[in-house]
This record gives sequence, structure tokens and C-alpha cells, in this order.
Amino acid sequence: EPEVTQTPSHQVTQMGQEVILRCVPISNHLYFYWYRQILGQKVEFLVSFYNNEISEKSEIFDDQFSVERPDGSNFTLKIRSTKLEDSAMYFCASSGNLGQEGNGYTFGSGTRLTVV
Amino acid sequence: GEDVEQSLFLSVREGDSSVINCTYTDSSSTYLYWYKQEPGAGLQLLTYIFSNMDMKQDQRLTVLLNKKDKHLSLRIADTQTGDSAIYFCAETSNSGYSTLTFGKGTMLLVSP
Repeated sequence: EPEVTQTPSHQVTQMGQEVILRCVPISNHLYFYWYRQILGQKVEFLVSFYNNEISEKSEIFDDQFSVERPDGSNFTLKIRSTKLEDSAMYFCASSGNLGQEGNGYTFGSGTRLTVV
Repeated sequence: GEDVEQSLFLSVREGDSSVINCTYTDSSSTYLYWYKQEPGAGLQLLTYIFSNMDMKQDQRLTVLLNKKDKHLSLRIADTQTGDSAIYFCAETSNSGYSTLTFGKGTMLLVSP
């Protein structure tokens, strides 16, 4: 069964450093997403990406965050200058359509980011 | 904004039925989902229901939707120890690009 792959599974970084979280979506999917879950809190939407541009972003996704699809397979989330409150599990997802059909989303296993 | 609430913890014995409940606020929700997360794993879609349905059954899973009360439940029949995980309720509305709004998750612990 096709999978969404995320690397690394765990990243520890110092406050103020830049991090790049990587994702390989399912190859024939068109829509890509990042969500995050701070420990003990809800899974929150960050950004969606379609046709090489951001289609929607939440208020969490400020100027510190950026996304890119640098080639035909990878989808990355960059945090420019990490803060302690960026520590969370970051989930990548992809879907073939707008996701309105119930089985549209496939999530990766997540990257646990710890900012120290 | 939209909100999804779930109870945080449920403990059952193997072989019993489990019922996990969820409430949501967005009256324009179109699809409602149940996701399962095992330790160290991603979010696995278990089942979903379209908002014009009241019930959906899929093997051991039964989803009930009360749209008037904005209440969703997931019943797992003959619960097994392998069902121990965190279960997330989520919804999408007609607004935006199908972003999912999640609850905090219910940890289901199944004891032998």
C-alpha cells in the first residue's frame, strides 16, 4: 500500500536554528499538507499546497514557516528560527483530490521536533 | 471557529464493546472521520461518514452520527488488545481546501 514517508523521525535542534522537515508524498497525489500536534494538544492544520503554491494556511503558519516542493517527489517544511514552542510532532499528508471523499488523506508517521 | 471535543481516556476489557464519543460545533461539516494512532505511527484512517448519513458499519466498527446534536460516536465490537491506541475524531467543512479539524484524541486501553 502506498505510504507517505517522513524524515527524520526525531529531530533535536537548538533554539534559533533552522530546521527542514522532509516528506515524500504518495507519487500520484496532488495535494500536500502539514499538520502539527503539540504534546497533549490537538492536531492542528498548518498549510496546504497545490500546484506549486500554498492554497491555504492557518494563523500558526507565520513568516517563520515555509514550504517547498523542490523536485517531483519531496515536500519540505522549513522553520527559519525555531522557538521552544515549535516543539511538536509534525505530520505530513497527501491526497489525490480535495479530500472531500472520506479516504482522501494519507498521513505520514510524523517527525518529532524537540527545540532545546 | 470550529471545535471538536472528545473524552481523553477509555478503558475496557478484551471482548467488550468500546464506545468513543465526539462532539463538534461546525454545522457545515461534510465529512466526519475517525483516525487511529498507534505508538510511533502516523494517523491511520479507520472510517468516515458523510454528513447526510446516520450510521455506517464496517466490520467491527459502527459509526453513529446525530447531526442535530452534533454528536459522533465510534463503537468497536469485540475489542481486542491490538485496538489499544489513540482515536481521533476529525471533520471537514465546506470552507477552505478540506482542512481537517481534529479533536484531542481518546486513548483506548484494552486489558486482557
